[in-house]
Amino acid sequence: DIQMTQSPSSVSASVGDRVTITCRASQGISSWLAWYQQKPGKAPKLLIYAASSLQSGVPSRFSSSGSGTDFTLTISSLQPEDFATYYCQQANSFPPTFGGGTKVEIK
Amino acid sequence: EVQLVESGGGLVQPGGSLRLSCAASGFTFSSYWMSWVRQAPGKGLEWVANIKQDGSEKYYVDSVKGRFTISRDNAKNSLYLQMNSLRAEDTAVYYCARESRGRVAFDYWGQGTLVTVSS
Repeated sequence: DIQMTQSPSSVSASVGDRVTITCRASQGISSWLAWYQQKPGKAPKLLIYAASSLQSGVPSRFSSSGSGTDFTLTISSLQPEDFATYYCQQANSFPPTFGGGTKVEIK
Repeated sequence: EVQLVESGGGLVQPGGSLRLSCAASGFTFSSYWMSWVRQAPGKGLEWVANIKQDGSEKYYVDSVKGRFTISRDNAKNSLYLQMNSLRAEDTAVYYCARESRGRVAFDYWGQGTLVTVSS
């Protein structure tokens, strides 16, 4: 199985800050990476698919880049509603696997 | 509006069984692969199983093979997960999720149903 490693596991930031989360795959996954946001007690929400495509309705302050094994999710200007846990997921090969999550906390 | 509503979770003893259901609406259910994804308390996400549009293909994570069975009823717009021989490590919130076109992501999720395996 492909292992997905996210870093950092948590980050403290203030409203307006630029936040970057990284995700590394244990082997190449081309651009088959998705990012999800999860708030406490809620289901995950798809933000980005195919490494850089923004899901409909997701604010443009979210962006992602990368291919192969290294990917980044960037929130350009953190908003109060963005405090949550973020997960990456590879869709290149079976079984689909998720990273361990990055919790974005209020500084 | 796409909606996925899970039900059937609860407390069950180790070795017991439980059947989860997911009622889908707002899209053509029979046109999509569907998955179950779980999340143990305080932990990350783990894909569990998925099923092709017509039910002809089913896949499972190794840890549930032989114990869990995924199925669907397209006439009822419903997805199911039959869970047998449950273990403490199966304790989790179970989410029903739709696989996107091209199967590159899980684009819609239900609210989840909690399964607790404990004596």
